[in-house]
Amino acid sequence: EVQLVESGGGLVQPGGSLRLSCVGSGFNFNDYEMFWVRQAPGKGLEWLSHITGSGRTTNYADSVKGRSTVSRDNGKRSLYLQVNSLRAEDTAVYYCARGGYSGSYFAYWGQGALVSVSS
Amino acid sequence: DIQMTQSPSTLSASVGDTVTITCRASQSVSPWLAWYQQKPGKAPELLIYKTSTLETGVPSRFSGSGSGTEFTLTISSLQPDDFASYFCQQYHTYWTFGQGTKVEVK
Repeated sequence: EVQLVESGGGLVQPGGSLRLSCVGSGFNFNDYEMFWVRQAPGKGLEWLSHITGSGRTTNYADSVKGRSTVSRDNGKRSLYLQVNSLRAEDTAVYYCARGGYSGSYFAYWGQGALVSVSS
Repeated sequence: DIQMTQSPSTLSASVGDTVTITCRASQSVSPWLAWYQQKPGKAPELLIYKTSTLETGVPSRFSGSGSGTEFTLTISSLQPDDFASYFCQQYHTYWTFGQGTKVEVK
């Protein structure tokens, strides 16, 4: 059974940083591209970042480009997202997701980690 | 950037109804279009990918169609478990979601 479990959420002050982690199980972790997606309270889904299975290629949404870094440690079956210079509008549930077997859709999702940016 | 526009934002329906949700892209994304279902407090779940391919385990009352810039998700014979929010997503060029459609009880 494929499982993705996020951790690292919590309350962060404006201007602060956070590092989210996502551990995958039930599949060959290094075979799949991975994603981060967030959802602000009562809002829709927003793709944030992408990383290939090898970790060599990354992509970012404009909303986090330049202040976030996505990385992975395939030996630890782990995906990470570091976000700096946090602001109130970054308050959201952050999900990690795994790519599909036959394309770059989001086949599996973690349960989400809530990040609240507030003083 | 590719923009995705879903309609309607809210849809009121009854059990047994057939409902259709439309998703329009600002440029062609065919066939790289997926649909997700999300229930309150839960993560989204994949329903359909590549416009019309049903994910394993998804009931056959869900179907997807379309091409170019216009796509639809149809739920035939709506079941109680189907009252939820639905999101389209293009994965032709990076990734963009529609704003969502909430299917509520009429």
